[in-house]
Amino acid sequence: DTEVTQTPKHLVMGMTNKKSLKCEQHMGHRAMYWYKQKAKKPPELMFVYSYEKLSINESVPSRFSPECPNSSLLNLHLHALQPEDSALYLCASSQAGAHGVNGYTFGSGTRLTVV
Amino acid sequence: AQTVTQSQPEMSVQEAETVTLSCTYDTSESDYYLFWYKQPPSRQMILVIRQEAYKQQNATENRFSVNFQKAAKSFSLKISDSQLGDAAMYFCAYRSSGSARQLTFGSGTQLTVLP
Repeated sequence: DTEVTQTPKHLVMGMTNKKSLKCEQHMGHRAMYWYKQKAKKPPELMFVYSYEKLSINESVPSRFSPECPNSSLLNLHLHALQPEDSALYLCASSQAGAHGVNGYTFGSGTRLTVV
Repeated sequence: AQTVTQSQPEMSVQEAETVTLSCTYDTSESDYYLFWYKQPPSRQMILVIRQEAYKQQNATENRFSVNFQKAAKSFSLKISDSQLGDAAMYFCAYRSSGSARQLTFGSGTQLTVLP
């Protein structure tokens, strides 16, 4: 299995809703990432998990709450979002050691619309 | 901090022709990795080609090759025999070999392939 699977593919939520994005990989990667991408822009790093521990939080608002329940799963819990949070949310994974040459494997993203 | 610059927001190429996308980067590190990612309208970021900084030989993957100039901090992508399926946003990315191992992306080049 060489894929990162993200669900759902599309999500529309109101500003008072609570929803979660899910990301799953079975490549044995021990580093997982959440990115936010606006149209025609590069992805912006939000969170990095390494060996299931949060290692980087790029000053993301608390209405985004990541969770890594095990080495294969990464969730992003959403609450009280704003319309400007509408974007493509990409999950990625990589080997956590010094094997940087392999880069990241990305999922196909969740297109989030906040209304 | 590392920066990656793609100076061509848009490029176009005739089908079957060759096109070169430019990328420059700034770093004080001597050991790092460079990547080109492709993002078609389907949204998934696909790894096109990778280069380890310590290798002098330019990477090649079928119709894709790079011109890596370490001293000039330049990493261009050449696409030969362009196909309609090559149309996408292309991102150049840098990854440190250190513990952070985050990907730093350029701003992207939108490639159009003309039939």
